[in-house]
Amino acid sequence: DGGITQSPKYLFRKEGQNVTLSCEQNLNHDAMYWYRQDPGQGLRLIYYSQIVNDFQKGDIAEGYSVSREKKESFPLTVTSAQKNPTAFYLCASTTGERLSNQPQHFGDGTRLSIL
Amino acid sequence: AQTVTQSQPEMSVQEAETVTLSCTYDTSESNYYLFWYKQPPSRQMILVIRQEAYKQQNATENRFSVNFQKAAKSFSLKISDSQLGDTAMYFCAFKHTNAGKSTFGDGTTLTVKP
Repeated sequence: DGGITQSPKYLFRKEGQNVTLSCEQNLNHDAMYWYRQDPGQGLRLIYYSQIVNDFQKGDIAEGYSVSREKKESFPLTVTSAQKNPTAFYLCASTTGERLSNQPQHFGDGTRLSIL
Repeated sequence: AQTVTQSQPEMSVQEAETVTLSCTYDTSESNYYLFWYKQPPSRQMILVIRQEAYKQQNATENRFSVNFQKAAKSFSLKISDSQLGDTAMYFCAFKHTNAGKSTFGDGTTLTVKP
């Protein structure tokens, strides 16, 4: 079955350490997204990519980096510059067509905590 | 920039009853899409229902329906015959037809009580 796979499910980061969250999709979607969700709060967009080798900053990109070398993959790196990384991270994808009414499909999320 | 407001952080409803979740949005555009997503506890976020702004008829999906008021920029979700499995966080989202991204509200946590 097609879907989005995020790994790991739980991740712990030490002070000063960079960590990378994986997101893979086999839905043949062009567009992929990373969101941060804090307890009891909504989704805030970190980065998004509408096509391979291209991505744009979202609302809270500082302290994060991404790459989009393959259509299927959109990894997110939480750098040491992100001083408050503890959160739930969601990856999503959609067809990418600007005129499309297709919804986003989401992964199961990664919960990141600081040691 | 578009904003989406969900004014009810938490709601509860008795099983089998009806509940309405509110959502308002702010945009100067006339062509856009609206979505309601459901995020159950420890489970994947999924689409509940969508509405195209050019359609006057309110969308319906089984027990879920919307009340779309374009002039008022309101997009509420009605859940009929609430079930325990409806317990979840519900997010309203807006997408301009020519945009590559959506804007989400802060969510409403709905608890269905037996």
